[in-house]
Amino acid sequence: QSVLTQPPSVSGAPGQRVTISCTGSSSNIGAGYDVHWYQQLPGTAPKLLISNNSNRPSGVPDRFSGSKSVTSASLAITGLQAEDEADYYCQSYDSSLSGVVFGGGTKVTVL
Amino acid sequence: QVQLVESGGGVVQPGRSLRLSCAASGFTLSRYAVHWVRQAPGKGLEWLAVMSYNGDNKYYVDSVKGRFTISRDTSKNTLYLQMDSLTAEDTALFYCARDPYFETNWYFDLWGRGTLVTVSS
Repeated sequence: QSVLTQPPSVSGAPGQRVTISCTGSSSNIGAGYDVHWYQQLPGTAPKLLISNNSNRPSGVPDRFSGSKSVTSASLAITGLQAEDEADYYCQSYDSSLSGVVFGGGTKVTVL
Repeated sequence: QVQLVESGGGVVQPGRSLRLSCAASGFTLSRYAVHWVRQAPGKGLEWLAVMSYNGDNKYYVDSVKGRFTISRDTSKNTLYLQMDSLTAEDTALFYCARDPYFETNWYFDLWGRGTLVTVSS
């Protein structure tokens, strides 16, 4: 049971837009801690995709965007491409646990 | 080339110990906070521990407190994770990951490729 809740899977056709939700609580996202997103392609290490809720590191396509509300965050992928098939994880800090917490991960499938 | 390379994984019996290494290249480890994160086979990511840039502060997830110890050798630009009293539940791919700034920002801008630890009799 992960502290942050993500849907196990989402899917979409090439070119479509998909969103992944990440729901937290008052001790993490709701406490104002930033949300970060990672992409893990099959058989590889995670890669930082979005930092501090909505910032894209250099080299990340602008098809990826992040947003945050009170106790949740979302990752949107527009213009879905076959190469976007991967697992996506949200991550934040939890003050009750005094450490990093992750979502359970969402597998994105391109139909 | 800026990278992290983990090593030291392998097959170990329950109750035994193992020390993982994370060698940094292209940057100075002591200028960043650095974390250990693991991923059990087919499962999600689990944060384990962090050492602050100056080595003064170390934090652990509850499930490994008292069993795992994070440390570093600045002369070798290498981070370590000493793991004691291992159980089958510790079987995972272990990653080291860099915090993007010298202050602990609690996220990761650089990951190694991981080293696999299998705890089995």
